[in-house]
Amino acid sequence: DAMVIQNPRYQVTQFGKPVTLSCSQTLNHNVMYWYQQKSSQAPKLLFHYYDKDFNNEADTPDNFQSRRPNTSFCFLDIRSPGLGDAAMYLCATSPAGSSYEQYFGPGTRLTVT
Amino acid sequence: EDQVTQSPEALRLQEGESSSLNCSYTVSGLRGLFWYRQDPGKGPEFLFTLYSAGEEKEKERLKATLTKKESFLHITAPKPEDSATYLCAVQAAGGSYIPTFGRGTSLIVHP
Repeated sequence: DAMVIQNPRYQVTQFGKPVTLSCSQTLNHNVMYWYQQKSSQAPKLLFHYYDKDFNNEADTPDNFQSRRPNTSFCFLDIRSPGLGDAAMYLCATSPAGSSYEQYFGPGTRLTVT
Repeated sequence: EDQVTQSPEALRLQEGESSSLNCSYTVSGLRGLFWYRQDPGKGPEFLFTLYSAGEEKEKERLKATLTKKESFLHITAPKPEDSATYLCAVQAAGGSYIPTFGRGTSLIVHP
């Protein structure tokens, strides 16, 4: 089945130690998104790519970066995680920009110790 | 600025007790309104897209309706397996295609 895959599902990192989260998709969708979701809150968009065009949300901290080396893969890098970065990180895809629903991966739960 | 407000924040129902969840939105023209289901510790799962006032969509015990200002997710005779957080998102016409999400309604159905 076509799907969105995120690895790892659970990640524990130390304060200040860089971490990379990965996302892959078999849907061949143009758009890929990274969201941060904290408990009982709406998903907060960090970045999205329309094909290779990178779009950074204005309030995304500089500590967060992203890479999309090809259509199928996208990475989220957190350069120096703080305690406030502990959250669920969700990757999503959509076929194109207009009027299409998003397909989410299972998420990566990040813990910062 | 686009806004999405979901109510109630949390809802407890007995099995078989029908109810509705509300999603109120403010956008300068609606391109699409989406409902998702999110189980604890998992990513949201797409349920429905609604495009225009008066539209309705159904899936098993769920029915989504849309007016010019709000959407309802009606749950008929819910079962414990319907327990989840239900998220609403809206996509505005004419601008960015990025949807705005509400905070969700956490539904618990007791057997």
